[in-house]
Amino acid sequence: ILNVEQSPQSLHVQEGDSTNFTCSFPSSNFYALHWYRWETAKSPEALFVMTLNGDEKKKGRISATLNTKEGYSYLYIKGSQPEDSATYLCASSKTDSWGKLQFGAGTQVVVTP
Amino acid sequence: EPEVTQTPSHQVTQMGQEVILRCVPISNHLYFYWYRQILGQKVEFLVSFYNNEISEKSEIFDDQFSVERPDGSNFTLKIRSTKLEDSAMYFCASSDGPNTGELFFGEGSRLTVL
Repeated sequence: ILNVEQSPQSLHVQEGDSTNFTCSFPSSNFYALHWYRWETAKSPEALFVMTLNGDEKKKGRISATLNTKEGYSYLYIKGSQPEDSATYLCASSKTDSWGKLQFGAGTQVVVTP
Repeated sequence: EPEVTQTPSHQVTQMGQEVILRCVPISNHLYFYWYRQILGQKVEFLVSFYNNEISEKSEIFDDQFSVERPDGSNFTLKIRSTKLEDSAMYFCASSDGPNTGELFFGEGSRLTVL
């Protein structure tokens, strides 16, 4: 894999349901995997930075896992709420340029009441 | 909570004009970045800046682009002679370093070149 890819491109979730989506990234020379939550007209909000294989991080109802050997990460939202509606971006970086993030296209999540 | 601020939020310019986009990074951060997103495309890296010099730049960042930290607080991106294809949302980001590796982004400056 040369690029960061996210799937699905978009998903609709009923309020209260849980959901998850994926990010695949180049595993060679891996440094870190970032997840951002991005609402229109706002700045992307950093959710997680993960570096170690097997990392699991949690922030409220949102959690993420990381597999650096196979180059994928999952983001989970438990009990989705309308305020979770946003585009979720993942980005990876390499060891020789940790601040140069390669972004995926994002997963747009719409939570309906 | 500390945040990265960008001005202007939207700028419309004529092709060939010079544009300066301004950013105020988080005050104790030492690493600064510009990224951009052309409509419908992924967010892409332009340049990183540390210790008053460019540490890395992408192929996009040609001689028409320059960055500067003119004082202790501002970080600017200048496009000397804008082209239609420079129309994009430009994001500034800052970081306190590789230990956290976390980049904090501003809200972006939308540039429209006519």
